[in-house]
Amino acid sequence: DVKVTQSSRYLVKRTGEKVFLECVQDMDHENMFWYRQDPGLGLRLIYFSYDVKMKEKGDIPEGYSVSREKKERFSLILESASTNQTSMYLCASRRQGATYYEQYFGPGTRLTVT
Amino acid sequence: GDSVTQMEGPVTLSEEAFLTINCTYTATGYPSLFWYVQYPGEGLQLLLKATKADDKGSNKGFEATYRKETTSFHLEKGSVQVSDSAVYFCAPGRGSQGNLIFGKGTKLSVKP
Repeated sequence: DVKVTQSSRYLVKRTGEKVFLECVQDMDHENMFWYRQDPGLGLRLIYFSYDVKMKEKGDIPEGYSVSREKKERFSLILESASTNQTSMYLCASRRQGATYYEQYFGPGTRLTVT
Repeated sequence: GDSVTQMEGPVTLSEEAFLTINCTYTATGYPSLFWYVQYPGEGLQLLLKATKADDKGSNKGFEATYRKETTSFHLEKGSVQVSDSAVYFCAPGRGSQGNLIFGKGTKLSVKP
């Protein structure tokens, strides 16, 4: 069974802290994605990675960075957390190739910044 | 730019009622089209997809047809169940990589 796992389901951090969200997939997928999900806004793409050490900005990259040192792992970094980054964060992976390949999602990390 | 407009919720139906959730999009070319579903407390999972005009995607009694003329991909189910209560997202692909644009989601509640 394919699987995308995220390091935490719930996380509470203080304003100004550096926050790491980890995502691991076991499907040998080349592409990985980070989204944030907010009520009334749907999912918005923060960053994506086509392969190891490659990254591209999505629609809302400000305040975030990413790291992909190994194929199976994609990390989202909040350099200095702020209250407006309180959200649900979803990671996804996808096989490289046809645009009709589906994305597989992790269960999400609900981050609260106080 | 590319965008998607999805029927706003929440939608509340009785069990065995007919469901339609409208979705229209603007995109360059003819993208693949997807519906994802998010059950309470879970991540998203693919419900169905269509990859070219006039294709019909179907799964678990849900259907959606790729309408090129109206750039629409409406989701339908003839008889909903309580277990269908979830949030539904329409998501066309965009660009050469086919990354997804997500609609805002439609929350469906089905009452027994």
